[in-house]
Amino acid sequence: QSVLTQPPSVSAAPGQKVTISCSGSSSNIGHNYVSWYRQLPGTAPKLLIYDNNKRPSGIPDRFSGSKSGTSVTLGITGLQTGDEADYFCGTWDNSVSTYVFGTGTKVTVL
Amino acid sequence: QVQLQESGPGLVKPSQTLSLTCTVSGGSISSGNYFWGWIRQPPGKGLEWEWIAYIYYSGSASYNPSLKSRVTLSVDTSKDQVSLKLSSVTAADTAIYYCVRREYYGSGGDAFDLWGQGTMVTVSS
Repeated sequence: QSVLTQPPSVSAAPGQKVTISCSGSSSNIGHNYVSWYRQLPGTAPKLLIYDNNKRPSGIPDRFSGSKSGTSVTLGITGLQTGDEADYFCGTWDNSVSTYVFGTGTKVTVL
Repeated sequence: QVQLQESGPGLVKPSQTLSLTCTVSGGSISSGNYFWGWIRQPPGKGLEWEWIAYIYYSGSASYNPSLKSRVTLSVDTSKDQVSLKLSSVTAADTAIYYCVRREYYGSGGDAFDLWGQGTMVTVSS
């Protein structure tokens, strides 16, 4: 059962920007670093953002992350058809001593 | 570049033990600030992921409390492999099982920075 809440879906036209929120609590996002992942259809997830706002090598700066209190946000600018995928957040939860993931958001490029 | 490859039976009978192996290629399981573990995703529930466990090459491991009583994780540094055993499986354990690498950053944060392609395991008689 996911303890991190994301919108089920977001959409925008090519070239536009989308933001995806991930809401948690003080036991998880509030006191821990968050990472973001992208899962293209039929493939394994890939790390996009770590430590709330850092990009691994090879991830373009179209992807950005931010954190405020018990929520984090993933931003994708210059939306491309290849960005159609499921996106989810993840972090450690101190109250249940387990790594937890978000409910996931499907991004659609119109 | 480092790659992860899962292997194991795709079909397991209820009440039996699920056994999977992850082989690390292109690098050593003993290097760096890395833990090695497993995450699963039930089929048909595309937007759901569950962390199972991860282990350091020294053998120090961390488990999801909800699965801990049924999970055994081990590492073979000579073969660069990490193995998962999940006992007393039921249909609820049917899922795509991903081998993952957890990187621990100097900031104190961590992330699953490398994923295997995943292997589908069905629990059915």
